Amino acid sequence: QKEVEQDPGPLSVPEGAIVSLNCTYSNSAFQYFMWYRQYSRKGPELLMYTYSSGNKEDGRFTAQVDKSSKYISLFIRDSQPSDSATYLCAMSARGSARQLTFGSGTQLTVLP
Amino acid sequence: DVKVTQSSRYLVKRTGEKVFLECVQDMDHENMFWYRQDPGLGLRLIYFSYDVKMKEKGDIPEGYSVSREKKERFSLILESASTNQTSMYLCASSLQGRRRQPQHFGDGTRLSIL
Repeated sequence: QKEVEQDPGPLSVPEGAIVSLNCTYSNSAFQYFMWYRQYSRKGPELLMYTYSSGNKEDGRFTAQVDKSSKYISLFIRDSQPSDSATYLCAMSARGSARQLTFGSGTQLTVLP
Repeated sequence: DVKVTQSSRYLVKRTGEKVFLECVQDMDHENMFWYRQDPGLGLRLIYFSYDVKMKEKGDIPEGYSVSREKKERFSLILESASTNQTSMYLCASSLQGRRRQPQHFGDGTRLSIL
């Protein structure tokens, strides 16, 4: 079993929809949680960074971490065609030499 | 703004060649990383470095080596390229700190080995 599980999709939604992207993990030592957005033929771009449990909001994006359930989410409000990309979750434990463990990514398409 | 630059976007090489992939960051970051990204397998860590001349193996170091002679530059070397090393290669960097700092990525090098 992978340390981080992420539904690969693909996920298609109409413009304006609320999108929910999720990852589950098995390592209870993970404390740092990130979401990256990757457009086709580009490198991953950091979207959100959270430490421990709770919510963080940045514009149309909200990241949630539930450490008790080992579950993280990214919500996109009022989704736009420009949000069409692959979304990667990533996480890390304090003191981890390997730094980050990534999910395999969810491919999202927002239809105009 | 954070800037990680990979020297080539696309590269085509032949089996058996020695291949160099270069990465430069301008943020004075201590940590640098090399990943490869393949469909269905996600990002896999090849090597990383937390200081000049220091290196650590990641999950898939076989067939690769790295060099970090200067803080801003991290090179990935394919000693004798093989077709199974055809992939997207991504370089990243991050700050060291008491809290884990996020990694910032370059735009990748799409490498084809013929």
